[in-house]
Amino acid sequence: EPEVTQTPSHQVTQMGQEVILRCVPISNHLYFYWYRQILGQKVEFLVSFYNNEISEKSEIFDDQFSVERPDGSNFTLKIRSTKLEDSAMYFCASRQGASETQYFGPGTRLLVL
Amino acid sequence: RKEVEQDPGPFNVPEGATVAFNCTYSNSASQSFFWYRQDCRKEPKLLMSVYSSGNEDGRFTAQLNRASQYISLLIRDSKLSDSATYLCVVNRGSTLGRLYFGRGTQLTVWP
Repeated sequence: EPEVTQTPSHQVTQMGQEVILRCVPISNHLYFYWYRQILGQKVEFLVSFYNNEISEKSEIFDDQFSVERPDGSNFTLKIRSTKLEDSAMYFCASRQGASETQYFGPGTRLLVL
Repeated sequence: RKEVEQDPGPFNVPEGATVAFNCTYSNSASQSFFWYRQDCRKEPKLLMSVYSSGNEDGRFTAQLNRASQYISLLIRDSKLSDSATYLCVVNRGSTLGRLYFGRGTQLTVWP
């Protein structure tokens, strides 16, 4: 069964450093998403991406964040200058056009020290 | 008011028990509704979509009441493997698909 994959599974970084989180969505999917979940809290939407551009972003997704689909398979989330409060699990998700179901990757656990 | 509110639990039930979870959503324009399951430190996985007429998938039954903006999930004959956090999830109807999650209800099924 096709699945969304994410790398790395864990990342530890120093405050102020840049991080890039990588995702490979399911191959025939058209919509891509990033969500995050701070420990003990709910899953929160960050951004959606369709047709090679951001289609919607939340108030969390400020200028420190960017997304890219550099080739036909990868979908990346970059945090330019990490803050302590960026520590969270980051989930990538993808969706086929016809279906509403979003499939989530296993997540990247980011710890900012 | 929160977009999606859930009974936080935790629920601790014996194997074989029936357990029900509730959820309310604040935006009356919401169009699509889901229950996801999340195991500890794992990704959310779709358990079932929720339709206006109610729907059943094996031991799981989901109900939607649009007038009350209320969603429920019933689990019959609980198994140890049902232990997880159950997430109520709503899409406001955007074709772009942004999902709004509740904080989840934790369920532990004991032998």
